[in-house]
Amino acid sequence: EDQVTQSPEALRLQEGESSSLNCSYTVSGLRGLFWYRQDPGKGPEFLFTLYSAGEEKEKERLKATLTKKESFLHITAPKPEDSATYLCAVQPHPDPIYNFNKFYFGSGTKLNVKP
Amino acid sequence: EAGVAQSPRYKIIEKRQSVAFWCNPISGHATLYWYQQILGQGPKLLIQFQNNGVVDDSQLPKDRFSAERLKGVDSTLKIQPAKLEDSAVYLCASSRGDYGTQETQYFGPGTRLLVL
Repeated sequence: EDQVTQSPEALRLQEGESSSLNCSYTVSGLRGLFWYRQDPGKGPEFLFTLYSAGEEKEKERLKATLTKKESFLHITAPKPEDSATYLCAVQPHPDPIYNFNKFYFGSGTKLNVKP
Repeated sequence: EAGVAQSPRYKIIEKRQSVAFWCNPISGHATLYWYQQILGQGPKLLIQFQNNGVVDDSQLPKDRFSAERLKGVDSTLKIQPAKLEDSAVYLCASSRGDYGTQETQYFGPGTRLLVL
């Protein structure tokens, strides 16, 4: 069964304290893995898409990496404005049973960065 | 480029009342998604449209929820009658709709529903 699990559920960091968020997945072939940021009261904002194992993408203090079974979102020297919920979603390879793209979301990691 | 638009942003209703949400996707996006997000959880897909046809409504509670995308552009999601457990944020998203390719979904701001 296709599944996406994010850990930890919540993470509290001091400003400048680097850490990583994890997204593990079990799908029958990966078409894409997506990271989103969601601020309270807002819709998810697209951050990165990854496709192949070994791929890395960076944006400011965030770097996303991908292996065959999981992805990490590394946060270097975070600032309070990085506080948000980070969501991971996967898109499996198309299944002949379906004729549309499917996506599976994790439950998110709520990050709180204290000054 | 304009993003995904949703209205209203907030809605408070009594249980057993009805409510409707509207979504206008990014121009040219063929696929439109409605998600339900309960506090502390990830988005749960309710229904997915490809142009004006439904491709996935397997998790839509069809006894009370309905959705349409008549002209293949904007969409309406309705709940009738509402239950307390329908309190959630309803997110609309859209994507280009190229089957089999890597697709990025773009989300609207959501409608926060509170059922009393």
